[in-house]
Formats: sequence, structure tokens, C-alpha cells
Amino acid sequence: EVQLVESGGGLVQPGGSLRLSCSASGFTFSHYAMHWVRQAPGKGLEYVSEINSHGSSTYYSDSVRGRFTISRDNSKNTLYLQMGSLRTEDTAVYFCVKDALCSGGNCYSAYDIWGQGTLVTVSS
Amino acid sequence: EIVLTQSPATLSLSPGERATLSCRASQSLSSNFLAWYQQKPGQPPRLLIHGASSRASGIPDRFSGSGSGTDFTLTISRLEPEDFAVYYCHQYGSSPTFGPGTKVDFK
Repeated sequence: EVQLVESGGGLVQPGGSLRLSCSASGFTFSHYAMHWVRQAPGKGLEYVSEINSHGSSTYYSDSVRGRFTISRDNSKNTLYLQMGSLRTEDTAVYFCVKDALCSGGNCYSAYDIWGQGTLVTVSS
Repeated sequence: EIVLTQSPATLSLSPGERATLSCRASQSLSSNFLAWYQQKPGQPPRLLIHGASSRASGIPDRFSGSGSGTDFTLTISRLEPEDFAVYYCHQYGSSPTFGPGTKVDFK
């Protein structure tokens, strides 16, 4: 079964840091670009970040660029999101997402597998 | 950044009725890189349509997508009880973005 399982969410104070992990199984993790997408409570989906299959190229939305770092360990089939300088507006469920077709580069496809998400709450 | 606008915000219908959801992009989407997702409460989104009109694996044929350029439509031909949910459009070009969603609820 193809599966993504996020972990690492929790309560953190404004200005703090947190690292999210996503464990992948059921597919060849090293072949696919991966993404993080978040959803604030009761709100819509917001794109956060992408990393190519090799981990050599990354992309960030304007709202997190310079504060978040995406990375991956293909030997462990694990995706990470290091979150720093957290703000109250970063409070959301963070979904780990698999690219349907692409490994990265000049290739674009939809997202076919989503984890259940992990909740990050930024509050004092 | 490409902004996606979805309408209506809420669509109140009964089972068996036809649902037509709209997604408009602020600029033309290259190669129709447009997807639709369904999300139910407490669940992650599920991919329905990619490439504007191609159904994802396992998606019933009552779901169909159409459109090109800046205007796209998701149609559910006959609503089943399990189709009442929120639907998001998503452009997955070089700077991906999502629309705000359309909620399909019971009339």
C-alpha cells in the first residue's frame, strides 16, 4: 500500500522551531519529487514547498521562503520540513504529498498521494 | 503568482442532481496544468482530475473536467451522497497555487 505518514507536529511558541518528518512506503521514494502543503484550521489549501527526487533542487512559497527548509533522505524514504522563526499564521495541518509523475526539473504533474497530515500550532 | 478563483463558494444540491463547479485563473495555464481535488472533513484531499480533463485512477466517470486557458470546470453528472465535500482546483505549474474551494452541500 502506498502510504505517507507525517510526524513531528505540536505546539510551539512564536519565534520557535519545529521539524516535520514524513515516512514514505509502498513506492520508490527516490523517483519522485515531493511537496508540503498546509491547511489552516477551517481554511483552504496553501502550497508550501517542493524538493526534487535527488534533493538537489527546492522551491518555497513566498510566505515561508527564508524560514523553512525542505530536505529528504532517500536512504530512509523520509521527507523533512525544518520550520524556523514560526509565526501564529503558520498554524495549520501540514500534509506531505507525492508528485504523481515527476522527479523534478522542467516537469509538472498533479499530486496523487497525500498523508493524513500533522498539526502545527504556533501560540504563546 | 497565478491566482485561482472558484465559484460558487457554496453549491447546495440534492443527490441525483448535476453539479457544475468553476475555476478561473488570473493568467492562461500552460499545457492545462490544472487539477481538481475532493476533500472531506478530517481527511486529506483526493486527486480527481489532472491535466484539466483526465480522471485519476479509480475515480468514477460521473466526475469530468473540462476547459483550457483560464477557464476550467468540474462537473459531477449525478451527485451521490458521498460526493458532498469541498472541491479545490490546483494549478501545478512552476509556482503552484490552489483555489479557495467550493463546498457542495445538501440542499
